[in-house]
Amino acid sequence: EAQVTQNPRYLITVTGKKLTVTCSQNMNHEYMSWYRQDPGLGLRQIYYSMNVEVTDKGDVPEGYKVSRKEKRNFPLILESPSPNQTSLYFCASSYKGGSYEQYFGPGTRLTVT
Amino acid sequence: GDSVTQMEGPVTLSEEAFLTINCTYTATGYPSLFWYVQYPGEGLQLLLKATKADDKGSNKGFEATYRKETTSFHLEKGSVQVSDSAVYFCALSDLTGANNLFFGTGTRLTVIP
Repeated sequence: EAQVTQNPRYLITVTGKKLTVTCSQNMNHEYMSWYRQDPGLGLRQIYYSMNVEVTDKGDVPEGYKVSRKEKRNFPLILESPSPNQTSLYFCASSYKGGSYEQYFGPGTRLTVT
Repeated sequence: GDSVTQMEGPVTLSEEAFLTINCTYTATGYPSLFWYVQYPGEGLQLLLKATKADDKGSNKGFEATYRKETTSFHLEKGSVQVSDSAVYFCALSDLTGANNLFFGTGTRLTVIP
């Protein structure tokens, strides 16, 4: 089954404790992206990657890191989480650029206290 | 920059009512336009899309027409069902080749029997 998986689905952590949210896709997609969803703000892009070893900032990259060492994986790293990073995070992938459909993971709800 | 303005919610309708969710966009050039739907507890999934002016996207009884003259992509359905209760996001893709999506804030639809 074609899918994007994220882990964990739920995470409660404390300020400053480094964490990683994993994202994996099994569709051999070149493009992957991370979004955060906040009430009243819709989805905002954090980082994206157009292929292995190619990553770039989205609209709200501060406080986040990513890596793309393999085509299927695109982890999101919070080196020192803060309460303003409490949010619902989505990973997405698509074949490549342009008008191709993006496939979304189920989301990771992160709470930073 | 590119942006999407979406009708504020929430929207509550009775089953079999007509649905319209307004969406207008600002972009240089002619982006692809999308409607994504998010069911409770799930990630987003593509509902329909249109890639050029006057295109009509349709799926599951929903439809939207790409109107260049009014920069709009309103979502309509003639007869909603309880199962259509979800959050609907209008989005456009940029033209840089990066396939980045710009989302509206989302409209929550509740359909009551």
